[in-house]
Amino acid sequence: QKEVEQNSGPLSVPEGAIASLNCTYSDRGSQSFFWYRQYSGKSPELIMSIYSNGDKEDGRFTAQLNKASQYVSLLIRDSQPSDSATYLCAVKGNFNKFYFGSGTKLNVKP
Amino acid sequence: NAGVMQNPRHLVRRRGQEARLRCSPMKGHSHVYWYRQLPEEGLKFMVYLQKENIIDESGMPKERFSAEFPKEGPSILRIQQVVRGDSAAYFCASSPPRDHNEQFFGPGTRLTVL
Repeated sequence: QKEVEQNSGPLSVPEGAIASLNCTYSDRGSQSFFWYRQYSGKSPELIMSIYSNGDKEDGRFTAQLNKASQYVSLLIRDSQPSDSATYLCAVKGNFNKFYFGSGTKLNVKP
Repeated sequence: NAGVMQNPRHLVRRRGQEARLRCSPMKGHSHVYWYRQLPEEGLKFMVYLQKENIIDESGMPKERFSAEFPKEGPSILRIQQVVRGDSAAYFCASSPPRDHNEQFFGPGTRLTVL
């Protein structure tokens, strides 16, 4: 079983819609969760971090965490074509080791 | 403040040669991570280092791969006797000494083995 699982997509949404990206993790003891955006051929860029249950909002992005269900999600409101990228979910494990999912490719259609 | 720097950005090697990848962390950062990414896949953890210390190398293949982060100079990921399966993007990330939650990634080195 992979430590972090994501649907690879692609997820296609029209411009202006809400994009919903999901991630599950296996280590129940994990405390720190991250979403990275990676454009094709580029390096990952941190866009959100979340550490406690509930929602965390930052501009058009909302991260949601449910530790009981071992589930993390990222909502992107008012999606723009520039949001088209691969979104990587990451979970921090023991001894500062990070586990990344394989990423969900998002296409926002104009 | 310069970001994480990696060089070379692109590296071509023939099978059996050695590949040496360099990573200079952000100023003030003392922790370095190396990841490998195959096409259309996520990042796979390889090794986590502090200055002069390997903290966790559980993601590194036991043979041909080694990493170091000397007191002076960049962190180096070394791959000996490269094979075609080593072709991938190798990313380095650094984090500050007191906040391991933030990782800043370098631009990556794209290794192609012919």
